Amino acid sequence: DAGITQSPRHKVTETGTPVTLRCHQTENHRYMYWYRQDPGHGLRLIHYSYGVKDTDKGEVSDGYSVSRSKTEDFLLTLESATSSQTSVYFCAISGGLAGVTDTQYFGPGTRLTVL
Amino acid sequence: GIQVEQSPPDLILQEGANSTLRCNFSDSVNNLQWFHQNPWGQLINLFYIPSGTKQNGRLSATTVATERYSLLYISSSQTTDSGVYFCAVEGGGGGNKLTFGTGTQLKVEL
Repeated sequence: DAGITQSPRHKVTETGTPVTLRCHQTENHRYMYWYRQDPGHGLRLIHYSYGVKDTDKGEVSDGYSVSRSKTEDFLLTLESATSSQTSVYFCAISGGLAGVTDTQYFGPGTRLTVL
Repeated sequence: GIQVEQSPPDLILQEGANSTLRCNFSDSVNNLQWFHQNPWGQLINLFYIPSGTKQNGRLSATTVATERYSLLYISSSQTTDSGVYFCAVEGGGGGNKLTFGTGTQLKVEL
């Protein structure tokens, strides 16, 4: 299994508070992704990164921002959490070989509850 | 954007039975992957298969890109095969940005 960790694994917070989720990889993969999983929707891409300081929006990016200051870490920030952002958040990586994206590997997920 | 439809949405099997899961997509794809989400929530990549056929033990997958569908075969199912199976595709633009289907929930009973 790819070395991907997410922290925290569980978090309960209140509406209006900022929240930051961290994804850490030890695989030196170029691409990193944040998805959210909700019942009836499968997984949806929030943001992704194609290199250090290079990020772009996904399908459901409103209300989220990301940063990647080094290869191994990709942060997802909810500036002001809302109840609609209650979800399970997954980080993924790909691109172990130069110029190849192919297989994506997923972290264990973070369950976020916004009250 | 590209649409991904999976069928059936739910499936119950007796241990030892075979099954076929289907994934239809609405446009040409650069990338197609199958994932298994186990009952503890972990997502495991099963196949990277934009075209052709691959096999891994009791699982095999076939993608017919020209007809915009992929099939996942599970043979001699076991209770450990239970979970949700997702198909995901990249429609274009690079970066391996995947669009997921809503999954097939599989339960294998003794």
